[in-house]
Order: sequence, then structure tokens, then C-alpha cells
Amino acid sequence: SQTIHQWPATLVQPVGSPLSLECTVEGTSNPNLYWYRQAAGRGLQLLFYSVGIGQISSEVPQNLSASRPQDRQFILSSKKLLLSDSGFYLCAWRGPRYSPLHFGNGTRLTVT
Amino acid sequence: GQQLNQSPQSMFIQEGEDVSMNCTSSSIFNTWLWYKQDPGEGPVLLIALYKAGELTSNGRLTAQFGITRKDSFLNISASIPSDVGIYFCAGQPYATGNQFYFGTGTSLTVIP
Repeated sequence: SQTIHQWPATLVQPVGSPLSLECTVEGTSNPNLYWYRQAAGRGLQLLFYSVGIGQISSEVPQNLSASRPQDRQFILSSKKLLLSDSGFYLCAWRGPRYSPLHFGNGTRLTVT
Repeated sequence: GQQLNQSPQSMFIQEGEDVSMNCTSSSIFNTWLWYKQDPGEGPVLLIALYKAGELTSNGRLTAQFGITRKDSFLNISASIPSDVGIYFCAGQPYATGNQFYFGTGTSLTVIP
């Protein structure tokens, strides 16, 4: 069966510091991968998605970037965090067409 | 990105009552998904819908893919305390293919 791992679970970082969040999927190949951000427990905002290695689509201009160095690995990064980057970051994967999104357990990021 | 209008924003109901919530979009979708999220965790898939008019059940939950392809409905029958949480709709626009957009959520409180 497929599983998705996301880490760390919580992170407290000072303003201006770098960020790297990692997500990996097991038990499937060539998944679509997604990064969402959720503020204040409501409304998931799509940040990035990827349909293959090295292929990244950005939904909104922001202080973040994403990379997909391997088929089942998706990384969310920032060079310098802003206070507004605080939130709950969720990674998700999807299999073939007409299959649903499956989420990881998220990373709670607090920028201080 | 796409805006999905989800209503109601919150519900306070007595245990045993039925619950209805809905989601509408401004464009045609080819997939509708319903999720439940508990505090501090990732959303968990409840029901997936892939065809206009489709009616699908998962225990006490029933969801429908609207005929117009611009809306979806979720019903919960005979609510119980463990139904408490935030429910999200999500949709995949027909025109774009890979993105999934989320509604703003319905917060459900069940009073024993």
C-alpha cells in the first residue's frame, strides 16, 4: 500500500532563516505531488504541484520554491523566511487520472 | 487559483441530527472530493466523485456530484460526537487537469 511521509512535524524558525521541508511517497511510481499551505486551520491554498522529476508548477508568487529531485521526493524551500510564511504545510500525492489526493500529516511552521 | 464556495461555514447540531453541506464553483469540474480534517492532522479522504450525477455513500456519509458539474453535496446522517471536525470539498477543474482546489471548510460541532 502507498504511504506518504512528511517531516518535520513541527518547526520553529527565526525570520530570515532558510527552510527545507521534505515529503516522500512509498508504494507508487510517477505520482503527482502537491504542496499546500493552510492558515488558521481553514482553507488549503495550493502552492506547487509536480507531474514528474524536475517539473514544478507554481500557483502563487511567494517567498517559497519547490523541487523534485527524485520521482517520489518533493521538497519545499525558502532562502529567507518571512513572518507570513507561518502556517501548516501539507504534502499530497495522487496516482493515475481519476484518483484522489492523499495527504501527509503536515508540518506546523512558526516563524518568529 | 479557483475559488470554491463552501457552505455553511460552521454548524452546531445535536447528536442524531442529519447534516448537509455543499460546495460550488464558477467553472466545470471533473472530480469532486470530500475530506475531514481533525486538529493538527492532514485531511482524510471521505468520498471521491468522478461523474456528473454520481451519488456515492461511505457509511453514514453520502455525497453527490452535481449535474451541472459546478457543485457537490455532502450529507451526514444520524451524526455522532466523533463526526466533529472540519469538512472540506475539493475539486479538479476540467480545463486544467492537475490542480486541486479546496473550499474554505465547514466546521461541525456535535452536541451530545
